[in-house]
Order: sequence, then structure tokens, then C-alpha cells
Amino acid sequence: GNSVTQMEGPVTLSEEAFLTINCTYTATGYPSLFWYVQYPGEGLQLLLKATKADDKGSNKGFEATYRKETTSFHLEKGSVQVSDSAVYFCALSDPASGGSYIPTFGRGTSLIVHP
Amino acid sequence: ETGVTQTPRHLVMGMTNKKSLKCEQHLGHNAMYWYKQSAKKPLELMFVYSLEERVENNSVPSRFSPECPNSSHLFLHLHTLQPEDSALYLCASSQDRALAGEQFFGPGTRLTVL
Repeated sequence: GNSVTQMEGPVTLSEEAFLTINCTYTATGYPSLFWYVQYPGEGLQLLLKATKADDKGSNKGFEATYRKETTSFHLEKGSVQVSDSAVYFCALSDPASGGSYIPTFGRGTSLIVHP
Repeated sequence: ETGVTQTPRHLVMGMTNKKSLKCEQHLGHNAMYWYKQSAKKPLELMFVYSLEERVENNSVPSRFSPECPNSSHLFLHLHTLQPEDSALYLCASSQDRALAGEQFFGPGTRLTVL
């Protein structure tokens, strides 16, 4: 079956530090990959996506590259801000899994950014 | 209103009460979802509706009863809940099932069962 593994948090950084949140996956077929973000008191928001190998998704200064050879989709940002404090979820959608496109989510990684 | 809205935002109920959660999407999407988010647990998919037809039910207890009267509205009817049902209930929508990876979430209803 499909699975997504994220690094456990919380990740605690100072403002302007470099961020990496690791995500690896297992999938039956050739999935699309996503990062979602959940700010306190809100629902999840799609942050970025990639649909094929070597694609780079990017949004709001965040980037992630679809690495098929290492089955990874690590999230990076060059300079985090306090407002980036949130929980980040890696997810995949793999229609090869019985024809269902329902995403499989990771457990989430909490990011805390201090001024 | 834009996006996905949920009401109420907070709900406290006793185990013998009956209540309903409401979700409305203003995006013209054809698929809608209910999720349960509990502390220290992965996000749990509960129900999936596509074009108002229930297409997935992930072994959810019968004390949770979904209803989708049209493609814009989704309800979750609650009765005789247990304290362990306390959680954040999230509604989401996607353009259709084939784009289920790209979901738009509401802010959730924080449910406390006493």
C-alpha cells in the first residue's frame, strides 16, 4: 500500500534560518506529490505540488523536488519567518492504488519559528 | 463567502445529544470529504462524496451519519457520541475525484464530547 513518512517535529528555528522538512514515500504506481500547510486554528491549505519526476513545486518561497530515485519530496525554504510557524503535511495521490485518487497524508511536522 | 466554510466552528455536546455539522463549498467542485483530525494521530478520512453519491466510507461507526443533499453542501449528523470522538472535523472539496490530491479544506469544527 501507499505510505508517507515525515520527520517528527517539532522543528524549531530562528527567523531567517534555512528550513528542510524531510518526506519519503512508498507507492504502487507513479504518484503525484503534495505539501499542505495548516496554520493554527485553520484547515489545511495546499502549498505546492509536483506530478512527475524532477518536477519542482514552489510557492511562497517554499520548494520541493520530486525525486523518484530516492522516493523523496523534501520541503525547503531559504529563510523562514515567524509567520511560517504551522504544521506541514506531505501527501501523495496514486491512482494505481485500486483506482482511488484519495490522498495519503503523512503525520505532519510542526514548525516553530522564533524571532 | 468564498472557499469552504464550516459551521459551527466549536461544538460541545453530551453523549446523548444529536447535533449536525455543516459544510458548504463555493468553488463549484464535485467531490467533498469529511476528515477527523485528532491530536497525535494521522489525519483520518471518514467519507467521500462524488456528485452527491457516497463513494467511500472508511469503516466509520454508525453514530456518524453523512448527508450530501447537493454538490455544494455536506452534513455530518452526530448522535450518541463517545468522548474519544472529540476532535477537529475537517471538510474538504476537490474539483472531482480524479483531482482528490488537490483539496480545499474548511477551517474545521472543534468538537468536544462530554
